[in-house]
Amino acid sequence: EAGVTQSPTHLIKTRGQQATLRCSPISGHTSVYWYQQALGLGLQFLLWYDEGEERNRGNFPPRFSGRQFPNYSSELNVNALELEDSALYLCASSLGQGALPSTDTQYFGPGTRLTVL
Amino acid sequence: GNSVTQMEGPVTLSEEAFLTINCTYTATGYPSLFWYVQYPGEGLQLLLKATKADDKGSNKGFEATYRKETTSFHLEKGSVQVSDSAVYFCGMNTGFQKLVFGTGTRLLVSP
Repeated sequence: EAGVTQSPTHLIKTRGQQATLRCSPISGHTSVYWYQQALGLGLQFLLWYDEGEERNRGNFPPRFSGRQFPNYSSELNVNALELEDSALYLCASSLGQGALPSTDTQYFGPGTRLTVL
Repeated sequence: GNSVTQMEGPVTLSEEAFLTINCTYTATGYPSLFWYVQYPGEGLQLLLKATKADDKGSNKGFEATYRKETTSFHLEKGSVQVSDSAVYFCGMNTGFQKLVFGTGTRLLVSP
């Protein structure tokens, strides 16, 4: 069974540009999550999508946005890039809201490393 | 607020040594607790989990017990290998599917 996949592996942008990161969940999973792993800041929750809807959002500005498609894949968009947006962006998936909380484990992809110059 | 505190790293051990990485949490309610491992250049892999008090999660020789009375979920392994060198993250899910992680503990195992 394929795991969570993310693309691209690496992305280099300049300040002010927009970045688009993509994620495909494990087959059968309806929930997708995005996390930011910035140097020195640990892992921070960004967004949670389930069944095409945004369900929860972390403490990030509105220029971080995303969406979930009917096939449950997801995009994370970061507008007006700033230097401090340089980080590893991790996507995770889980069975979704219908699953019991105790079984709804999040499985992570390999990440997209975004570098803002 | 909800938070997870892990011991500072790096933790440096020789092969076959005993490992403990401390993790404590602050949460309202009864969260599910997790340990994830991140090998160099990779994403996070679920190592083990526990969903209620006194549950013991175990995998690949690693163990952790959910202790509600001490709000702890310490990771242990009886005999570490060089291949266990990685960053270990303690995390919890308090609801709304948002994982809260500790800052991570780097483990370095030498031959």
